[in-house]
Amino acid sequence: DSGVTQTPKHLITATGQRVTLRCSPRSGDLSVYWYQQSLDQGLQFLIQYYNGEERAKGNILERFSAQQFPDLHSELNLSSLELGDSALYFCASSDPSSGRVYNEQFFGPGTRLTVL
Amino acid sequence: GNSVTQMEGPVTLSEEAFLTINCTYTATGYPSLFWYVQYPGEGLQLLLKATKADDKGSNKGFEATYRKETTSFHLEKGSVQVSDSAVYFCALSTGGSNYKLTFGKGTLLTVNP
Repeated sequence: DSGVTQTPKHLITATGQRVTLRCSPRSGDLSVYWYQQSLDQGLQFLIQYYNGEERAKGNILERFSAQQFPDLHSELNLSSLELGDSALYFCASSDPSSGRVYNEQFFGPGTRLTVL
Repeated sequence: GNSVTQMEGPVTLSEEAFLTINCTYTATGYPSLFWYVQYPGEGLQLLLKATKADDKGSNKGFEATYRKETTSFHLEKGSVQVSDSAVYFCALSTGGSNYKLTFGKGTLLTVNP
């Protein structure tokens, strides 16, 4: 158990709909990352938040948005869903204030999104 | 930009066989290198890491050495077990203001008894 929780585990919805995925980081971790895992694109970084502020953006579509709340949990919002958005969405958290050269990320179990 | 290339699977081995999964990278700056493992139905777990050239990361019998001259970080294990069956991802991070990970496409390993 990494200490990172994600809800829901599975989500089935229709094209054109909007969904919200939720992530609770490990206790004390200020940074949250979102990744998308799909068969054709593999694992891709979407976006990072640090203590409520957006820190970095990757291959995130304009239809997708995220935020991190004062209690440090994060939500990923996916709108105008398309069939190609079906994927496993992972959240990871880390403590970048540790000052180490690298920064270990702890991954949640993921949310499997199926768009029909 | 950064990229990671790892050998395509799937890889199927018998128990106690030797495992090598190749990984090469392209990065701006001086990356840290990682191997993550994903067991069926679970999230990713960090398996091992190396943060500078010639470092050897090791864990649970797995090893990988950071080779700057060949930009490689191949994963090896001398004797695999059925419980090692999983998907293995090579990844890098260049740090700075964020530590986002760039992943390879993953290699599915199946170990048969």
